[in-house]
Amino acid sequence: EDQVTQSPEALRLQEGESSSLNCSYTVSGLRGLFWYRQDPGKGPEFLFTLYSAGEEKEKERLKATLTKKESFLHITAPKPEDSATYLCAVRRSNDYKLSFGAGTTVTVRA
Amino acid sequence: NAGVMQNPRHLVRRRGQEARLRCSPMKGHSHVYWYRQLPEEGLKFMVYLQKENIIDESGMPKERFSAEFPKEGPSILRIQQVVRGDSAAYFCASSPGQGVEAFFGQGTRLTVV
Repeated sequence: EDQVTQSPEALRLQEGESSSLNCSYTVSGLRGLFWYRQDPGKGPEFLFTLYSAGEEKEKERLKATLTKKESFLHITAPKPEDSATYLCAVRRSNDYKLSFGAGTTVTVRA
Repeated sequence: NAGVMQNPRHLVRRRGQEARLRCSPMKGHSHVYWYRQLPEEGLKFMVYLQKENIIDESGMPKERFSAEFPKEGPSILRIQQVVRGDSAAYFCASSPGQGVEAFFGQGTRLTVV
């Protein structure tokens, strides 16, 4: 069974204080690792897809990286508007559904 | 280009009533997925549909729950005889094909009283 573990559960940052979120996964035949952002009362918003170890993707202050066992979401110089829950999900080969982790809730104080 | 549209956003039902949740996928998307998010839990897959076909319903409870995606109109998730444990946020996602990014709607928050 696919397992996706995100850490930490919660992260409180000062504005400008860079940090990283971790997503460890166990899946048979990874066919994509996905990062989403979810604001309270809203649906998940797609951020990145990573397909192979060594791949990196960036969007504004966010950068996602992938190894064979885990992915990191780096937040550089965060702003209060980066406060959200960040979700990691995996999809295995020959499958289409996503298996989600429990998320990391990030709070950025001004 | 409108995103995935779900309605209603909030739904209150008494125990024993039926709940109908609707999802219109993004334009050009023919693949629809339903997920459930219970309080303090992660998103769990329920069912995957293409037009007029249920492809995978392995995550959906075998009783009281059903889903459809007709040739015309939105996808419907139907919950009969709701119980308090059905209270959750139900999210629909769509994609243009298999194995690519899925985009989520804003969800329907079901409360059973």
